[in-house]
Amino acid sequence: EVQLVESGRGLVQPGGSLTLSCAASGFTFSTYWMSWVRQSPGKGLESVANIKQDGSEKYYVDSVKGRFTISRDNAENSLYLQMDSLRAEDTAVYYCAAGYSRRYWGQGTLVIVSS
Amino acid sequence: DVVMTQSPLSLPVTLGQPASISCRSSQSLVHSDGNTYLSWFQQRPGQSPRRLIYKVSNRDSGVPDRFSGSGSGTDFTLKISRVEAEDIGVYYCMQGTHWPHTFGQGTKLEI
Repeated sequence: EVQLVESGRGLVQPGGSLTLSCAASGFTFSTYWMSWVRQSPGKGLESVANIKQDGSEKYYVDSVKGRFTISRDNAENSLYLQMDSLRAEDTAVYYCAAGYSRRYWGQGTLVIVSS
Repeated sequence: DVVMTQSPLSLPVTLGQPASISCRSSQSLVHSDGNTYLSWFQQRPGQSPRRLIYKVSNRDSGVPDRFSGSGSGTDFTLKISRVEAEDIGVYYCMQGTHWPHTFGQGTKLEI
């Protein structure tokens, strides 16, 4: 059974940092593009960052460039999102997703940026 | 960024009747590799999104065959042949051809 389990949820002050993790199992992690997708409360979906199978290519949406860093550890079947200089507008549920077209999704982890 | 425009945004349905959602992109979704990366997702209340369709018309395993996708270029459609109660939720299209991959605003299917 495919499982993607996010962790790292929290309440952070504006300007603060947080790292999200995603533990993958049930599929060959190293052969999948991986992504972070976020959903603001009551809103739609937004692609945040993508990383290629071997980590050689990374893409970010403009609003997080220079502040967020996506990475992966294929030996540990894990995906990460380092989030710095957080803003109120980063408040959202963050989903880990596997596959170029987002085949598998985690349950999501809530990040709240507020003073 | 490629803008994905869904219509309608709210779709009242009758159980057992068909339903159709349109998704239009602001530019062609034909990738340089020849594929068209247009996917459809279902999000039931309180749940994570679930992919139903990829590359326009390919149904994911476990997805009932009452769901079908079609279209080309900039114009795409998700059809449900006979709506069932478990189909209630929000449906999103997503293009994966141009970065950033972008989603439509969502269409809420409701009785």
